[in-house]
Amino acid sequence: EAQVTQNPRYLITVTGKKLTVTCSQNMNHEYMSWYRQDPGLGLRQIYYSMNVEVTDKGDVPEGYKVSRKEKRNFPLILESPSPNQTSLYFCASSWVITGELFFGEGSRLTVL
Amino acid sequence: QKEVEQDPGPLSVPEGAIVSLNCTYSNSAFQYFMWYRQYSRKGPELLMYTYSSGNKEDGRFTAQVDKSSKYISLFIRDSQPSDSATYLCAMSDGNTPLVFGKGTRLSVIA
Repeated sequence: EAQVTQNPRYLITVTGKKLTVTCSQNMNHEYMSWYRQDPGLGLRQIYYSMNVEVTDKGDVPEGYKVSRKEKRNFPLILESPSPNQTSLYFCASSWVITGELFFGEGSRLTVL
Repeated sequence: QKEVEQDPGPLSVPEGAIVSLNCTYSNSAFQYFMWYRQYSRKGPELLMYTYSSGNKEDGRFTAQVDKSSKYISLFIRDSQPSDSATYLCAMSDGNTPLVFGKGTRLSVIA
């Protein structure tokens, strides 16, 4: 089954404790992206990747890091999480930047 | 002015009604227009995809693009309770990532 898998789905952590949200897709997509979704603010892009070893900042990259060492994986790293990073995070992938985006189920992160 | 404006609603309609969802945009370079549907606690899923201007129909759903007015619409005919979701418009110029509207929450009441 074609899918984008994110883990963990739910996480409660404390300020400053580094965490990684993993994202993996099995569709051989070139393009991958991370979004955060907040009430009243909609979906905002954090980082995206056009291909392996190619990453670019989205609209809200501050406080986040990403890497794309393999085509299928695109982890999101929060080096020192803060409460304003409490949000619902989505990973998505597509063949090309204008193609249909396939989203994961979401990861709800709470930073205390 | 934000690049993409979308009325957040919420919009509540009776079952069987025709629903009209709209987005306006400011970037005349946008060529790719999409509508995503997001059910509660789920990721968005592509509903309609349109390139450039014109209409596209898929079952009860019709997407319209008016590039001269910088306005796109999604019509839902004979709306069903299962259509209750948040609808997000998204668009791109082909070279940069999709820009999403904030989404309109729709409730269809049986």
